[in-house]
Amino acid sequence: DQQVKQNSPSLSVQEGRISILNCDYTNSMFDYFLWYKKYPAEGPTFLISISSIKDKNEDGRFTVFLNKSAKHLSLHIVPSQPGDSAVYFCAALRAGKSTFGDGTTLTVKP
Amino acid sequence: DAGVTQSPTHLIKTRGQQVTLRCSPKSGHDTVSWYQQALGQGPQFIFQYYEEEERQRGNFPDRFSGHQFPNYSSELNVNALLLGDSALYLCASSLSRNQPQHFGDGTRLSIL
Repeated sequence: DQQVKQNSPSLSVQEGRISILNCDYTNSMFDYFLWYKKYPAEGPTFLISISSIKDKNEDGRFTVFLNKSAKHLSLHIVPSQPGDSAVYFCAALRAGKSTFGDGTTLTVKP
Repeated sequence: DAGVTQSPTHLIKTRGQQVTLRCSPKSGHDTVSWYQQALGQGPQFIFQYYEEEERQRGNFPDRFSGHQFPNYSSELNVNALLLGDSALYLCASSLSRNQPQHFGDGTRLSIL
């Protein structure tokens, strides 16, 4: 039973437009939700997080929204840049244990 | 400031053998976690070490064991290797158990 799901394996957007990556979870006991970005041949890099008691967190071009009633979170990237092309992982954290989704490959076209 | 470093980068073993992977955490981090990432999937949590003790464990058999040293570096040991153990093994460190993690670039383990 996969507790964190990213239902879109891939997403393609035009440079300058908004990228929206989605993630669903099943366990309401998670304390934090995080987004990581991964380039080929590198480990994941932390991007942004949100506490389970918040509904929005913003950092520059990146905003994460949390809808607890729907058990859904999303990452908005505005404006998207070609350098944002990577695999994005959603993760949920509780008591030191991180549960990851299977990732969404974002391609930003110039 | 060095980030998380893992060694070796690549490793080839045969079924039944044993392997040890090594990780040095980012400076100032005392919590180390290990993950297994199969192709096309997200990282799967193996276990987390803090103060030289295993604090959390994922759904992995006892063939997977670890150790944390006083300098916070860590080892992942896998015994009786199976073909299905072929994967990228990632080490991550953090300031505490519920902080964002910094990942190394992983060790690619291939079992023949």
